[in-house]
Order: sequence, then structure tokens, then C-alpha cells
Amino acid sequence: ETGVTQTPRHLVMGMTNKKSLKCEQHLGHNAMYWYKQSAKKPLELMFVYSLEERVENNSVPSRFSPECPNSSHLFLHLHTLQPEDSALYLCASSQWGATGNEQYFGPGTRLTVT
Amino acid sequence: GQNIDQPTEMTATEGAIVQINCTYQTSGFNGLFWYQQHAGEAPTFLSYNVLDGLEEKGRFSSFLSRSKGYSYLLLKELQMKDSASYLCAVRDTRRDTGGFKTIFGAGTRLFVKA
Repeated sequence: ETGVTQTPRHLVMGMTNKKSLKCEQHLGHNAMYWYKQSAKKPLELMFVYSLEERVENNSVPSRFSPECPNSSHLFLHLHTLQPEDSALYLCASSQWGATGNEQYFGPGTRLTVT
Repeated sequence: GQNIDQPTEMTATEGAIVQINCTYQTSGFNGLFWYQQHAGEAPTFLSYNVLDGLEEKGRFSSFLSRSKGYSYLLLKELQMKDSASYLCAVRDTRRDTGGFKTIFGAGTRLFVKA
């Protein structure tokens, strides 16, 4: 247990569906992240929220929409996804600006788009 | 640009020592991390180096040479449970905002055999 939880753990959705991924951290951190991990590729940073304000968006397609209502919760809203979006989506949190700033990862959501 | 290179796969024997190398190119280096990721699980933080030299933590040690853009993770007394992917990640300072961005390598899959 890293103190970061994600739901659901597995998700299968069609290209016309709308779904949301949820992340919650219990570590008192002030920054949260969404990453995409595809097979044999590096972790790809999608979004960063620090102090609930989005500070980074790595040119992610608009079919992915993040929401950070407070420092403990992070959502990723999904709509009209493509099969190539199938991947493991990882949420992480850290203390923004602190020395080290190591990230603590949730278990991930395995997403399959059919 | 930013680039991180590490070997794709390595195999070692139980009880032995293995060294996983990582080379990087960044414009504003501000620290290097090693994470361990078992298959189907989230990455977990192993070590952090920001100054040159060796950081030792139990069976794991991490070395950094900033002038060479080089790091290694040293695993001693290998155990079967050490079979995992090892991710090298570099924190880079963004020129436009002065904020930080962590970039991950593709990871090295380590197989420990009996």
C-alpha cells in the first residue's frame, strides 16, 4: 500500500462510452499526476496538478479530461476513446517543490478500448 | 532535448550482483530517481541522487555522475523477488516556467534466475 488508491482497477469500454477514472491520495501531498504506460514504452506524463491548479498538460488529446477538485482527489474523464488508448493509467502524488519530490504511485487502471 | 537510455533487459543469477546503467541528456538536471516496478504493479520509489557519488540503502545502491550524465543502480545479493523492471527517471527544470518535470526511461527488465 503506497497511500494512493485508484478505481476501477480494470475497465473495458467501447469507443462511444464515457467513463471516469478516480484517484485518491492519503499522504498529504500537494501534487498529483496522471501517467499512461503502454507496453515497452516509457511512462508518459499526461497531466500534473499542483495545489489543485493544472500546471502541466503534455498535449494530451481532448478525449482525456482531468479534474482535480481538491488536493486529495484526481479524476480522468474519458470519452470517445480509440483502441490505441488501451494502456495502464497510473496516478501518482508527491510533495511539490520538496527536495527529492519522489512520486508515490497508485496500482493503476488497466484500460481496454474495444 | 531530453533523453534517457537504459538497457532493455538483463539477466542475473540469484546471490550475484548486477549493475543497471542509465545515461541521460537534459537541459536543467535537478535529480535522478530509480523506481522498481513488478509486473502488473505500480512503480515504487527506490532511490534519489542529486549530488555526485554513491547512495547506499541496504542491498541497493545508486550512483550518479552529473558531468557524465550517468547513473547506475547496483543490486547486491540478488533474490528471486528482485525480478522486476527498474525505471530511471530524471527531474528536469523547465526553462519556460522554472518548474520541474520528471522524465522516465523505458525501464530495464531484470530476470533473476536460480
